[in-house]
Amino acid sequence: GENVEQHPSTLSVQEGDSAVIKCTYSDSASNYFPWYKQELGKGPQLIIDIRSNVGEKKDQRIAVTLNKTAKHFSLHITETQPEDSAVYFCAASRTGANNLFFGTGTRLTVIP
Amino acid sequence: KAGVTQTPRYLIKTRGQQVTLSCSPISGHRSVSWYQQTPGQGLQFLFEYFSETQRNKGNFPGRFSGRQFSNSRSEMNVSTLELGDSALYLCASSLEVPTNEKLFFGSGTQLSVL
Repeated sequence: GENVEQHPSTLSVQEGDSAVIKCTYSDSASNYFPWYKQELGKGPQLIIDIRSNVGEKKDQRIAVTLNKTAKHFSLHITETQPEDSAVYFCAASRTGANNLFFGTGTRLTVIP
Repeated sequence: KAGVTQTPRYLIKTRGQQVTLSCSPISGHRSVSWYQQTPGQGLQFLFEYFSETQRNKGNFPGRFSGRQFSNSRSEMNVSTLELGDSALYLCASSLEVPTNEKLFFGSGTQLSVL
């Protein structure tokens, strides 16, 4: 099956700085790559996703890039704010959103 | 529109008992998936139901089972509970729109097995 690796496991940045989280996947047939944010006591919340026919996608301060050849994708958060502090998960799937393989998570702390 | 609703929010059981968790998907969503989240193993896929049929299954023992009703609501059952079953069980739903599927999670049921 698919294996998704995520780095770093923890990340601290100053408010206003950028944060980058990287993931690699093993299954070359994977074609859907969502990113989730999980706050304490809540379920994961979808923040952005990308499909394999697209190399980059942006939504305000958040962007995701995908390199199919290298089998890696990254989450970029610019102008970080304290409310961005949470655990972020990447995921990959070859069958759409209905069978996701998740990375191990990155705990992001934004220091005011 | 209401999100994915899971009940109960917390459960405490003892080894050997069984438990049933409930999930109501977002209105109009027909696919329901279940995930187990633990500190050690992270988020792991259990199974997915669509139109009352199990469509995908993860690598969990047969003690873990589920079902979906005609109104898309779903339940999962864990029999003969073990200490290692302590976890946050997350339900998620999605709208079956090809190339535009997105998975939305509930807040989960925190199960503690003593």
